[in-house]
Amino acid sequence: DAMVIQNPRYQVTQFGKPVTLSCSQTLNHNVMYWYQQKSSQAPKLLFHYYDKDFNNEADTPDNFQSRRPNTSFCFLDIRSPGLGDAAMYLCATSRERQETQYFGPGTRLLVL
Amino acid sequence: GQNIDQPTEMTATEGAIVQINCTYQTSGFNGLFWYQQHAGEAPTFLSYNVLDGLEEKGRFSSFLSRSKGYSYLLLKELQMKDSASYLCAVRGISGAGSYQLTFGKGTKLSVIP
Repeated sequence: DAMVIQNPRYQVTQFGKPVTLSCSQTLNHNVMYWYQQKSSQAPKLLFHYYDKDFNNEADTPDNFQSRRPNTSFCFLDIRSPGLGDAAMYLCATSRERQETQYFGPGTRLLVL
Repeated sequence: GQNIDQPTEMTATEGAIVQINCTYQTSGFNGLFWYQQHAGEAPTFLSYNVLDGLEEKGRFSSFLSRSKGYSYLLLKELQMKDSASYLCAVRGISGAGSYQLTFGKGTKLSVIP
């Protein structure tokens, strides 16, 4: 089945220790998105890639970076995680920007 | 900018019908989505409206009025498994001129026996 896969499902890191979350898709979609969702809050878009074209949201902290080495994979790098970065990180894809987004299962990040 | 309002919580009885409302303000409206999100899981797509009117999909229906900036999700024959958060999301034009999907905080629906 075509799908969006995120690994790991749960990630524990230490304050200030870099961490990378991964997302892969078998849908062959052009657009990949990273959202941050804190408890009882709306998902907040961090950035997205249209193919190799990176689009950063204006209020996304510099601490968050992303890489998309090919169509299938996209990574979220948190350079120096703080306690406030503990959240669910959701990857989503869409065929084109104006089309429906499909989400992966998410990675729950815990910062100690 | 974009602003989305929906009730924080609702409770309904198994077998009943519930309507979850969403009002929005947006620049360059280009569609409204409803997603279902169970606790600790990712949102799953339920419905999409871009023109005024009702879209029906099984037990779920979604309505849109663009002139009023208003949508609702209607769930019929409620089942216990429908207990979840329901997120209203609006696609508009961001300040950078590209499409952007903005989510509401979600309505937590509790279905009781």
